[in-house]
Amino acid sequence: GDSVTQMEGPVTLSEEAFLTINCTYTATGYPSLFWYVQYPGEGLQLLLKATKADDKGSNKGFEATYRKETTSFHLEKGSVQVSDSAVYFCALRNFNKFYFGSGTKLNVKP
Amino acid sequence: GAVVSQHPSRVICKSGTSVKIECRSLDFQATTMFWYRQFPKQSLMLMATSNEGSKATYEQGVEKDKFLINHASLTLSTLTVTSAHPEDSSFYICSARDLGSTYNEQFFGPGTRLTVL
Repeated sequence: GDSVTQMEGPVTLSEEAFLTINCTYTATGYPSLFWYVQYPGEGLQLLLKATKADDKGSNKGFEATYRKETTSFHLEKGSVQVSDSAVYFCALRNFNKFYFGSGTKLNVKP
Repeated sequence: GAVVSQHPSRVICKSGTSVKIECRSLDFQATTMFWYRQFPKQSLMLMATSNEGSKATYEQGVEKDKFLINHASLTLSTLTVTSAHPEDSSFYICSARDLGSTYNEQFFGPGTRLTVL
């Protein structure tokens, strides 16, 4: 069945460091791919998305490119801030159902 | 953007009681809403799909008599945890699908933290 695998955390970085969180997926058909962010005690907020191969989603300095050949959707940011500390979930949507990765906690230190 | 609310945001109840959680789409109509459960430090697991005016579709392993879902209007779905036990303690998140959006977007609520004593 459809599934999402993302790198385990926690990931600890210093402010202004480069961030990569790996995400790969398995799916039939043509899923849409998403990154969601969850701050402590809150629900999920959509960070970015891509709906077809080679699309690049971007928002707030974060980017991810839909790579069908490697079935990946890695999240990147060139310079993280303390306020980026949160849990990040990679997800795919196929036939209107969402499948989430296990989440990666990011800690950014001043 | 589209907003989904949940009420209450957190609830503490005694074992054996029932708890109702509401999910509302505030500025769009949602014929379909989804209920998820999130255990500590884990991902979201889809529990059921709530369809307006018809019965909910439950995922494998989810007890339909334990988790009652009602989707009586285009903006409201409710999840009732019946005879709650400590193992039902979790973070429950709903999402609603906006049919009016370009890609049938789903928007997530802020979640409800249930603690059963």
